[in-house]
Amino acid sequence: SQQGEEDPQALSIQEGENATMNCSYKTSINNLQWYRQNSGRGLVHLILIRSNEREKHSGRLRVTLDTSKKSSSLLITASRAADTASYFCVGNNAGNMLTFGGGTRLMVKP
Amino acid sequence: NAGVMQNPRHLVRRRGQEARLRCSPMKGHSHVYWYRQLPEEGLKFMVYLQKENIIDESGMPKERFSAEFPKEGPSILRIQQVVRGDSAAYFCASSPSAQGIEKLFFGSGTQLSVL
Repeated sequence: SQQGEEDPQALSIQEGENATMNCSYKTSINNLQWYRQNSGRGLVHLILIRSNEREKHSGRLRVTLDTSKKSSSLLITASRAADTASYFCVGNNAGNMLTFGGGTRLMVKP
Repeated sequence: NAGVMQNPRHLVRRRGQEARLRCSPMKGHSHVYWYRQLPEEGLKFMVYLQKENIIDESGMPKERFSAEFPKEGPSILRIQQVVRGDSAAYFCASSPSAQGIEKLFFGSGTQLSVL
């Protein structure tokens, strides 16, 4: 397994705007996962994208993966105050554990 | 199907006491992971266990910390002689598979405060 590094560390937007978070990783992966953490709670799995996929959608979430650049992005469209949380990415190369980075702290202002 | 259950939710200990944190994985999951999180930081991996076995403890401090996952009952993270620096949120996660984890299921965490 390997750690993902999120960018930016913090992001503040107005409700209704789109939020884009980026992730970079260092070595080859089988899949890349995004998780969300609300303050004081455990992480919740949002979406998984496999190494042979370039884009994936789930509701208001859109994830892209560029294996040549070893990067991924998470787009949240039409953001809501309830989207305020920390977002983490993690790449998995068929290892038996996941190591998380520092995350992006998203603040959506009503 | 209940999720990952952690208790207690909050634990207050004085310096020098012992802290015992419990985690019951999701039904059918035999792989348990413990993470520690300091305020405004990411999750730091501590230990990975399967039933009755410690698979990877590379993130565990060498002293005072131990973990177990017995054949029956929850996984336990034990911290002996706690110090103020142990104050953190401790999260447990479980997975149904070992290789190629596609999803981790997290508990709500135990917030440990050391006075």
